Amino acid sequence: GQSLEQPSEVTAVEGAIVQINCTYQTSGFYGLSWYQQHDGGAPTFLSYNALDGLEETGRFSSFLSRSDSYGYLLLQELQMKDSASYFCAATRDKIIFGKGTRLHILP
Amino acid sequence: DVKVTQSSRYLVKRTGEKVFLECVQDMDHENMFWYRQDPGLGLRLIYFSYDVKMKEKGDIPEGYSVSREKKERFSLILESASTNQTSMYLCASRTPGLAGNEQYFGPGTRLTVT
Repeated sequence: GQSLEQPSEVTAVEGAIVQINCTYQTSGFYGLSWYQQHDGGAPTFLSYNALDGLEETGRFSSFLSRSDSYGYLLLQELQMKDSASYFCAATRDKIIFGKGTRLHILP
Repeated sequence: DVKVTQSSRYLVKRTGEKVFLECVQDMDHENMFWYRQDPGLGLRLIYFSYDVKMKEKGDIPEGYSVSREKKERFSLILESASTNQTSMYLCASRTPGLAGNEQYFGPGTRLTVT
């Protein structure tokens, strides 16, 4: 079987840092991706980790530990426009998504 | 820019109707996917296609079929629509293999079956 677990909701304050965790159980795993989806919109790609460690893209960073079957997305200097759902996804021959984490940002 | 388009943004159908959802991508991607998205359940894979005339069942294929006669077009078919198929349907495409970790999504079709 294959599954990804992530928190259903996270709340943070504007300007702060928030971490969204993802644990996975999947075979034939190439890497872990993260997608962002605003209400009414389509998911858009944020980042991909093929190797263990941290990948940084501007305010967003993503981390993977294959030995722990664990990854996270780190969002820094939160802005109101970051309010969205975030999905981790296991990439193999197909891409399997977690159920998503709804990020609420308070002013 | 990669573009994935879907034939309708909103669709209302009656129970028992045959429904066609069309998806077209312009990036010559081999892989195409159909997902449905429901609150609290995330994106669930219905079917995917590695290439023309090839298809594989995803996690929830029951009640659906697909067609891929041309590389750029991937159709999802509801043979006899039911109310539990009311959902948001998302199409996506990507390049296969390790280089294709990014999927490009269409805008989605919100289907209501009454």
